[in-house]
Amino acid sequence: QKEVEQNSGPLSVPEGAIASLNCTYSDRGSQSFFWYRQYSGKSPELIMFIYSNGDKEDGRFTAQLNKASQYVSLLIRDSQPSDSATYLCAVKGRTGGFKTIFGAGTRLFVKA
Amino acid sequence: EPEVTQTPSHQVTQMGQEVILRCVPISNHLYFYWYRQILGQKVEFLVSFYNNEISEKSEIFDDQFSVERPDGSNFTLKIRSTKLEDSAMYFCASSVRGQGIMEPQHFGDGTRLSIL
Repeated sequence: QKEVEQNSGPLSVPEGAIASLNCTYSDRGSQSFFWYRQYSGKSPELIMFIYSNGDKEDGRFTAQLNKASQYVSLLIRDSQPSDSATYLCAVKGRTGGFKTIFGAGTRLFVKA
Repeated sequence: EPEVTQTPSHQVTQMGQEVILRCVPISNHLYFYWYRQILGQKVEFLVSFYNNEISEKSEIFDDQFSVERPDGSNFTLKIRSTKLEDSAMYFCASSVRGQGIMEPQHFGDGTRLSIL
C-alpha cells in the first residue's frame, strides 16, 4: 500500500474555476500535512500546512483535513494559468519522526 | 526572505566517482534534510540531521551516502562511488524544529546530478 496517494492527473480546469486536489495517506498516526507546488524542473514550494481536522484558508487556497478518513485536499479558488504545476501532498509521520513522505503529485493545468 | 541555497546547480560525474553536494540552510534553522527526486518520480526522503548527527534515514541512504556539517553554515551530502541510478535531483531542506507537527521544511533549488 502506497503511503501517500494522489491522482496523477492531469487535472484541467478553466481560468477562474475552482481546482480540487485530493490525497489519501495510510499511516493513521500521521500528524501534519503539507501541500507543495512544484513547477517543472524546480524545487517544491510550500503552499500550506494543516494539522487539525477541518478547513484552513490562506488567500485563494483552502486545505481540508479529515483524519478519520485519512484524507486531505487542497482547493484553489479563482485558478490562474500561473497555478499550472504539479501539486505534492506531503505527510509527516508520528510524533518523534523527522521525515516527510511525499505523494507522486497531481499535475494541474489551468486553461486561459 | 531567507532561503536554502545549493551548489552546484548541475553536477556531471563519471560512474564510480565520488561527489559532494553542498547546501547552506537557512541561518536560524537547526534541522537539515536531504531528499532526492528521480526524473518523473516522487520526492524521496534520504536523511535528516540534527546536532551533528543523523536523526533518521531511509533505506535508500546506504553505506555509500554520508552527510556532514563541516562548519557552521554548510551541510553536505557525499556519495562515495556513484552509480547510474544515483542520477536525480537532490534537494536540501531545513527547518527550525524537527519534530513539531507544524514544522514545514523549506527546500533549496536542488542539484541535478547526472552520472555518466
